[in-house]
Amino acid sequence: NAGVMQNPRHLVRRRGQEARLRCSPMKGHSHVYWYRQLPEEGLKFMVYLQKENIIDESGMPKERFSAEFPKEGPSILRIQQVVRGDSAAYFCASSPTGPGDGYTFGSGTRLTVV
Amino acid sequence: EDQVTQSPEALRLQEGESSSLNCSYTVSGLRGLFWYRQDPGKGPEFLFTLYSAGEEKEKERLKATLTKKESFLHITAPKPEDSATYLCAVQPISSGSARQLTFGSGTQLTVLP
Repeated sequence: NAGVMQNPRHLVRRRGQEARLRCSPMKGHSHVYWYRQLPEEGLKFMVYLQKENIIDESGMPKERFSAEFPKEGPSILRIQQVVRGDSAAYFCASSPTGPGDGYTFGSGTRLTVV
Repeated sequence: EDQVTQSPEALRLQEGESSSLNCSYTVSGLRGLFWYRQDPGKGPEFLFTLYSAGEEKEKERLKATLTKKESFLHITAPKPEDSATYLCAVQPISSGSARQLTFGSGTQLTVLP
């Protein structure tokens, strides 16, 4: 049973380009969460999605960032016109039953903006 | 504002030297407190959830306890493979439909052979 799969593991983008981060939840999990870990800081909640629905995006920056979780395929976190401050590790987590304890994290995508 | 403070930031132990990691929190109401382990280049791995003061949970050499203001992760006779960053997170009652976690910055534990 594969865990939460994130790709790519590492992503380098120049300032102004777009970054697309993908997350495939564990089999049977329909709830996805995205967290960001900035250097020397703790993990920060960004967005919570269910299939075809954004449930809570209160942690997501208002501009340039968007997320989706389509009926088919992985969840996508999209960052448009990246800036150096977007450099961070982005983690996806999934759970089978919604908010609760111990959801499973992926290994993350490390985004570097040059 | 909900806050989680972990101490120490870094801890070096000799193999077999027991110690405790501290997680102090400030929340308006606590739904749950979580401990995770994170290895370099990996995502956090769930260890424990605690829900109420006085609760304790154990797993191998690890034991987590909870009071109204803080949680401790006790490590008994650690081994080098216990080296990792240990993260504490709270799930406030006010976290809405997402019930998102608020994380501390972690304690980086190194166990020397």
